[in-house]
Amino acid sequence: RKEVEQDPGPFNVPEGATVAFNCTYSNSASQSFFWYRQDCRKEPKLLMSVYSSGNEDGRFTAQLNRASQYISLLIRDSKLSDSATYLCVVNRGNNNDMRFGAGTRLTVKP
Amino acid sequence: ETGVTQSPTHLIKTRGQQVTLRCSSQSGHNTVSWYQQALGQGPQFIFQYYREEENGRGNFPPRFSGLQFPNYSSELNVNALELDDSALYLCASSVPLAGEDPQYFGPGTRLTVL
Repeated sequence: RKEVEQDPGPFNVPEGATVAFNCTYSNSASQSFFWYRQDCRKEPKLLMSVYSSGNEDGRFTAQLNRASQYISLLIRDSKLSDSATYLCVVNRGNNNDMRFGAGTRLTVKP
Repeated sequence: ETGVTQSPTHLIKTRGQQVTLRCSSQSGHNTVSWYQQALGQGPQFIFQYYREEENGRGNFPPRFSGLQFPNYSSELNVNALELDDSALYLCASSVPLAGEDPQYFGPGTRLTVL
């Protein structure tokens, strides 16, 4: 079993839709959490950190449930430019131990 | 842009050869991590350098080695290349061992081994 598991995808949604991605992690000692987005053949770019209290950045909302070892990302009012692969990232507590999920591909269609 | 740069952008090598990839970290960041990303997969941690010392290593064989220089730039060296080494190699820089601070990626080097 992989340490970080994500929805397999792909997700194909119309513009304006709300879409949610889930991620689970197996190492209970994990201390910090992030969502990155990666466009085709580009590098991952930080989308947002995920805090225990939940956090929002515009149309994006991230939630963390430490008890269930579960992270989510909600995108409201999807835009065409949201089309990308979304990577769930878990840091075990040392900066040298970032574990990535395989990513969930999102395509937003007109 | 993150300010992390990598060179070269693309590289083609043959099996058995050696390759050196380079990375310059973002200003103010003295920690550099290297990742291998195969097609359709998430990045896999190779190793990290902090203050010119290796500070953690993933599940990669010794033929993957690295260096960090006093200006915090870094190199990834791969010896005896194998076909499966074909991948996107990413470096990421971060603030010193802060744990909760994210890493910022360079554009990557795409390596093809024939």
